[in-house]
Amino acid sequence: DIVMTQTPLSSRVILGQPASISCRSSQSLEHSDGTTYLSWLHQRPGQPPRVLIYKISNRFSGVPDRFSGSGAGTDFTLRISRVEAEDVGVYYCLQAAQFPCTFGQGTKLEI
Amino acid sequence: EVQVVESGGDLVQPGGSLRLSCTASEFTVSPNYMNWVRQAPGKGLEWIAVFYGGGDTYYADSVKGRFTLSRDNSKNTVNLQMNSLRPDDTAVYYCSRNLYYWGRGTLVTVSS
Repeated sequence: DIVMTQTPLSSRVILGQPASISCRSSQSLEHSDGTTYLSWLHQRPGQPPRVLIYKISNRFSGVPDRFSGSGAGTDFTLRISRVEAEDVGVYYCLQAAQFPCTFGQGTKLEI
Repeated sequence: EVQVVESGGDLVQPGGSLRLSCTASEFTVSPNYMNWVRQAPGKGLEWIAVFYGGGDTYYADSVKGRFTLSRDNSKNTVNLQMNSLRPDDTAVYYCSRNLYYWGRGTLVTVSS
């Protein structure tokens, strides 16, 4: 199974300041079809997860442009350009390049 | 609006069975990767199963041999039959289309 390792596991940020989360996979996430299936999800307390970024850097419908994703191969990063209060919660990276799909441990973002 | 809605969660005794359903709106389940992901209380997300393509399935080792997926195209649902339930199966179970669209989840509690 592909192991997804996130850093940091928790982060306290200042409103309006940037934040970033890293995710490293134990194997390349490039699928045989040439696509890298790496997504980022956000989960607020008591809410279901929602997708922010898919295929490394594509923002999902309705996601603010302060969120961006980058990376390749085994190293990926989620960046928030200016943190807002609604951004608190837990962020997960997810690989769907190979079954079983696997998530990172989660990064708790606090203000 | 694309939507998935989970149902069927309940309190069940260890060793018991339960069937969860995932009902889709505004899309057809059959050509999509319909996933189940669970989250134990206070824990992270765990992917457990997928129904995809012409009827292929894949299960995480933690549920293989105990959980079974099925699809009802007439009702546009994907079902998760859970047998031999254990206390560590206690979790909110989410259905997700292609791991992009997520439902709100249904709670399964396994306890005597």
